[in-house]
Amino acid sequence: DSGVTQTPKHLITATGQRVTLRCSPRSGDLSVYWYQQSLDQGLQFLIQYYNGEERAKGNILERFSAQQFPDLHSELNLSSLELGDSALYFCASSVGGGGALGEQFFGPGTRLTVL
Amino acid sequence: GENVEQHPSTLSVQEGDSAVIKCTYSDSASNYFPWYKQELGKGPQLIIDIRSNVGEKKDQRIAVTLNKTAKHFSLHITETQPEDSAVYFCAASISGGNQFYFGTGTSLTVIP
Repeated sequence: DSGVTQTPKHLITATGQRVTLRCSPRSGDLSVYWYQQSLDQGLQFLIQYYNGEERAKGNILERFSAQQFPDLHSELNLSSLELGDSALYFCASSVGGGGALGEQFFGPGTRLTVL
Repeated sequence: GENVEQHPSTLSVQEGDSAVIKCTYSDSASNYFPWYKQELGKGPQLIIDIRSNVGEKKDQRIAVTLNKTAKHFSLHITETQPEDSAVYFCAASISGGNQFYFGTGTSLTVIP
């Protein structure tokens, strides 16, 4: 158990809908990262928040947004969902700003299915 | 940006044999290289990492080697066991940067 929690574990929704994925980092970790894992794309970095502020942005679509709250939990909002958004979404956390400064601990993921 | 390539995509070995997974990276500024193991239905878990000031690191049956000149790094698992069966991902990161660039993964199967 990495100490990172994600809810829900599974999510099934329809195209055009909006969903929110939630992540709680390990105790003491200030950074939260969101990744998308699909069969043909591997692990793709979406966005990072550090102590409430956006720190880095990867291949995140404009339909997706995230935020990190004062208690350091984070939410990833996915809107106008398309079939291609079906994937596993992972949250990871680290103590510092990330990169070579520290390892990232991954949560168990949320499996999103868009029908 | 950084581009990480990983080979092979699938690997089957007999129990007790060694397994080697190789990754190459493109950005010479990358200096942190973690390896993650992902079991079915779980998130990736860090198993070993190496920084660019070190050429090799070993932890029991797992070792990682880094060749900065050639920009490649490898994961070596010796005396493989069925519980080593999983998907393994390599990644690269730049000091001061926040993004991990992951390889596409290697599905390792250890045959009893």
